[in-house]
Amino acid sequence: NAGVMQNPRHLVRRRGQEARLRCSPMKGHSHVYWYRQLPEEGLKFMVYLQKENIIDESGMPKERFSAEFPKEGPSILRIQQVVRGDSAAYFCASSPQASYNEQFFGPGTRLTVL
Amino acid sequence: GENVEQHPSTLSVQEGDSAVIKCTYSDSASNYFPWYKQELGKGPQLIIDIRSNVGEKKDQRIAVTLNKTAKHFSLHITETQPEDSAVYFCAASNYGQNFVFGPGTRLSVLP
Repeated sequence: NAGVMQNPRHLVRRRGQEARLRCSPMKGHSHVYWYRQLPEEGLKFMVYLQKENIIDESGMPKERFSAEFPKEGPSILRIQQVVRGDSAAYFCASSPQASYNEQFFGPGTRLTVL
Repeated sequence: GENVEQHPSTLSVQEGDSAVIKCTYSDSASNYFPWYKQELGKGPQLIIDIRSNVGEKKDQRIAVTLNKTAKHFSLHITETQPEDSAVYFCAASNYGQNFVFGPGTRLSVLP
C-alpha cells in the first residue's frame, strides 16, 4: 500500500513564474491537507480539501495561492507569480474517510525561488 | 484559535537515557494529540497519538501522557538510540479540523 506521494520532490522557479505541486493521497483516503514549513520551523496549515470541495482554506494566503482536489487525479497546490518568500517545503497529508483525525504525510516538495 | 507551545527546542541525551518533550495547548475543545518524527529531508512520520478520553498511551519505548485539566501533553522516549535523533513535533486538533503544530524539538542522542 503506497503512502502519500508528492511530486516533484524539488522545484526551482524564478520570481514571477508559476509553481504546481501535486499530491496523491493514500489509497482509500479522501481528505487532503496542505502544510507549509519554513526552514527550522514547524508546519503551518494552509488548506483542507475533500474530493471537489475546499473545506477550510483559512491558512491559505489570499492572493496567488490556490488548491484543488478534482474527482479524478491528484490534489494540486498552485502558486502564481512566485516570490522569494514562497521558498519552503510544502507537505501534503491525507486521512481516511472513516477516522479522519490521523493524517499521514508525504515526503514534501521543496520549492526554491531564485 | 488554537496555539501550541513545545519545550525544549533542543534536547541532547546520552544513548540509553530517557527523553521527555512537553507541549501545551490553549483550546479546551482540542481532543486529538499526535506526535510526529521528522528526519532530515523527509516528511513527518506519525509515531504515536492520544485522544482526549485517555490519559496515557504506550507503544514499546514511546509513551504519551495527557493532562486535559492543565492542557498539556508529553512525549516520553525510553532507552534512546542514535536513530531516535530527529525533530519531533506535537500537534493538537479538534475532531475533523486541521492540525496546529508546535515549533518542534530537535533531539540528539549521543553515542
